Amino acid sequence: EIVLTQSPGTLSLSPGERATLSCRASQNMNYAYLAWYQHKPGQAPRLLVYGASNTATGFPDRFSGSGSGTDFTLTISRLEPEDFAVYYCQYYDNSHWTFGQGTKVEVK
Amino acid sequence: QVQLQESGPGLVKPSQTLSLTCTVTGASINNGGHYWSWIRQHPGKGLEWIGFIYYSGNTYYSPSLKSRVTMSLDTSKNQFTLTLTSLTVADTAVYSCARSVSFFGNAFDIWGQGKMVTVSS
Repeated sequence: EIVLTQSPGTLSLSPGERATLSCRASQNMNYAYLAWYQHKPGQAPRLLVYGASNTATGFPDRFSGSGSGTDFTLTISRLEPEDFAVYYCQYYDNSHWTFGQGTKVEVK
Repeated sequence: QVQLQESGPGLVKPSQTLSLTCTVTGASINNGGHYWSWIRQHPGKGLEWIGFIYYSGNTYYSPSLKSRVTMSLDTSKNQFTLTLTSLTVADTAVYSCARSVSFFGNAFDIWGQGKMVTVSS
């Protein structure tokens, strides 16, 4: 079973700054099954990136995903006030879904 | 517009059984391209996948919960259910149903709002 480790646990940044979130796997992943979610308090998580690099409908192009193998990254080029949230990576493999523990992006 | 809505008790006693239902509107659970999952989030913690059910009735559960989980479909009502037995306080969490789609690499594209379940005597 793949284990996903997200870092850092918390990222304290100011609006306008760049955010770089990491998702590292315990073994190689098929990029097609790597996704990222944005989760705000009291709301359902929202699919943000699928297939490692495809930004979902409704999200602006300041969000981008990249990576391969065991290392994947979510980048927010310039933080807007509405981007402060928790971000999870998730991987699907052989009828099993695994989430990372999340990275909280908070206002510095 | 596809929507998912969880329903069920908000408070359950230890050792009892939890049953939650997810009602799907705007899409048929008989669609072969979708998987229907349950996911939970313990207070202050991350997301934990519980299991999924396919339109055929095939199921797959998280190994850590497999012994206590059952999922089923009611296609006439376009619903699927989660049953979790032998509850303990450690099962206190927000339980969400979600749809995953092969087009998105089986990522969860639609989520319910979540149902807070507290296990307490």
